[in-house]
Amino acid sequence: DIQMTQSPSTLSASVGDRVTITCRASQSISSWLAWYQQKPGKAPKLLIYKASSLESGVPSRFSGSGSGTEFTLTISSLQPDDFATYYCQQYNSYFTFGPGTKVDIK
Amino acid sequence: QVQLQESGPGLVKPSDTLSLTCAVSGYSISSSNWWGWIRQPPGKGLEWIGYIYYSGSIYYNPSLKSRVTMSVDTSKNQFSLKLSSVTAVDTAVYYCARTRYNWNDSPDAFDIWGQGTMVTVSS
Repeated sequence: DIQMTQSPSTLSASVGDRVTITCRASQSISSWLAWYQQKPGKAPKLLIYKASSLESGVPSRFSGSGSGTEFTLTISSLQPDDFATYYCQQYNSYFTFGPGTKVDIK
Repeated sequence: QVQLQESGPGLVKPSDTLSLTCAVSGYSISSSNWWGWIRQPPGKGLEWIGYIYYSGSIYYNPSLKSRVTMSVDTSKNQFSLKLSSVTAVDTAVYYCARTRYNWNDSPDAFDIWGQGTMVTVSS
């Protein structure tokens, strides 16, 4: 089984900050990685697929990078609507989600 | 637009079987996408349960495989989940979702999600 880790687990930031979340896989998953945003009481929303491809309709301040075992999600300038929990997910071999990173207000 | 809607009992007794259905509207379930189930216990993270193709190809999370059955009904444009021998640890919000189209027909990221349905396991 492929295990996913995320760091940090919680991140406190201010509007306008550049935010970076890291996701690591226990073995190489090539670029088969997605990022989701989830707000309380809502279903997750796809932000990034194939490590760096922006889903249609997602603001360009979100970007993804990485391949193999290490990946990052970057929000270039944090907006009020971005305070949420972010999950990575590998789909190289079955599916596995990371434990999540909560971005809250500093 | 494409919509997914989960339905089923909100309360299930321990040792019983949890049964949920996901109705798909605005899109044919027989298209080249996989359809999946994901759950989220209260206050916790996401857990993939399994995914199914309209042809009947199915993959389950190995940790749940012995208790999970998924099926697809193309005539009703819906797919279903059964989880047997439930206990309190199966209490969660259950989501159904569609995977993105992938040119090689393999499962991809989940791009469309249902709103989720809370299932509580309790006597």
